[in-house]
Amino acid sequence: SAVISQKPSRDICQRGTSLTIQCQVDSQVTMMFWYRQQPGQSLTLIATANQGSEATYESGFVIDKFPISRPNLTFSTLTVSNMSPEDSSIYLCSVVGLYGYTFGSGTRLTVV
Amino acid sequence: AQKVTQAQTEISVVEKEDVTLDCVYETRDTTYYLFWYKQPPSGELVFLIRRNSFDEQNEISGRYSWNFQKSTSSFNFTITASQVVDSAVYFCALSDQKSNYGGSQGNLIFGKGTKLSVKP
Repeated sequence: SAVISQKPSRDICQRGTSLTIQCQVDSQVTMMFWYRQQPGQSLTLIATANQGSEATYESGFVIDKFPISRPNLTFSTLTVSNMSPEDSSIYLCSVVGLYGYTFGSGTRLTVV
Repeated sequence: AQKVTQAQTEISVVEKEDVTLDCVYETRDTTYYLFWYKQPPSGELVFLIRRNSFDEQNEISGRYSWNFQKSTSSFNFTITASQVVDSAVYFCALSDQKSNYGGSQGNLIFGKGTKLSVKP
């Protein structure tokens, strides 16, 4: 299965600032998924990122708040913009391959 | 619509006890996949098992076993002789209608998770 390197693993940010999270995959994949996990909650899909086209956002998530880039088949970034304490969560990227779903190790974000 | 229900929010057991985590799912698809993931306090998601909708055989892997019953739309997970290292949040997940992941592109739908605490 694919191996994903996700950075940063954690960060503490000031409200009003932005953070960009990176995911690098060791093989080419068509789709990448970005999830948010708020404290004590389950994983919620933010968007699906396809190389060469705009990401598809789920209800409740907008591009201005969570812009996504997908410049090639092995890399994607998620930016959390104009952060507030409510954005404090774990953010995870994921890919689906022939043998199943793989997740990055997650980015634990705290907004103060 | 697809949905995964994990009714047990938290379970606490003493080491060496057996414990079963329940998962009930809803889907209109005839082809789908079910998964279990473990999330230790460090936060990463650890893949445990996948099961396709056409394979109802139970599976055993060491102390872990899974009981898939399509008649009741359940995919329960049992840990035998639990250990402290089993303490984690466990998520059951379902591949959505856009996916059959054996080549397709859908995402996973997660249950709310069950927090398991195993005390020494």
